[in-house]
Amino acid sequence: SYELTQPPSVSVSPGQTASITCSGDKLGDKYACWYQQRPGQSPVVVIFQDNKRPSGIPERFSGSNSGNSATLTISGTQAMDEADYYCQAWDSSTAIFGGGTRLTVL
Amino acid sequence: QLQLQESGPGLVKPSETLSLTCTVSGGSVSTNTYYWGWIRQPPGKGLDSIGTLYYSGSTYYNPSLKSRVTMSVDTSKNQFSLKLRSVTAADTAVFYCVRGDPRALVFDSWGQGILVTVSS
Repeated sequence: SYELTQPPSVSVSPGQTASITCSGDKLGDKYACWYQQRPGQSPVVVIFQDNKRPSGIPERFSGSNSGNSATLTISGTQAMDEADYYCQAWDSSTAIFGGGTRLTVL
Repeated sequence: QLQLQESGPGLVKPSETLSLTCTVSGGSVSTNTYYWGWIRQPPGKGLDSIGTLYYSGSTYYNPSLKSRVTMSVDTSKNQFSLKLRSVTAADTAVFYCVRGDPRALVFDSWGQGILVTVSS
């Protein structure tokens, strides 16, 4: 079965750039999306189709996807960005999620 | 604005069937523009897709759960539902109902989630 791998945790200082990776076999041949989940809340999509932002998502969120990896980049990270982030792709009509990355803003 | 609300028992006994309903407001389940689905999250763990369905009846289940899952749509009540059979403690999770956009390939709307505990 298809798997997506994320680092369990990433730390970043306020105002700096955070990068969260998601690895999977030939992931670049699929579309990747990213969800943000703050504690006690439901996930919210922040990036879809590799690099598109839904309306209402700040411009500091961006994404890329090529080869075997997708990356979520948060520029000028703010305290409010502290959350769990999940990548997701599709494999044979099944949604596959990465294990999630806890972003800590120190 | 679309809202999704999960409902159902918060406690289910082992070996029994977990049944949940998602009520859709601010939109209609009777559309092929979007699809509907269920995603679960065990306490302290990550997201796990259960399956998706179109109102027309087409269903797509996660192969790991396919033998135990049934999803359906009730257009008269603007709801869709999940049944998960033969549950064990490993099925304890927060269950989210979601709307999916087949063009964007993303789940763009989520319910608040409902915690279902499997315990005797």
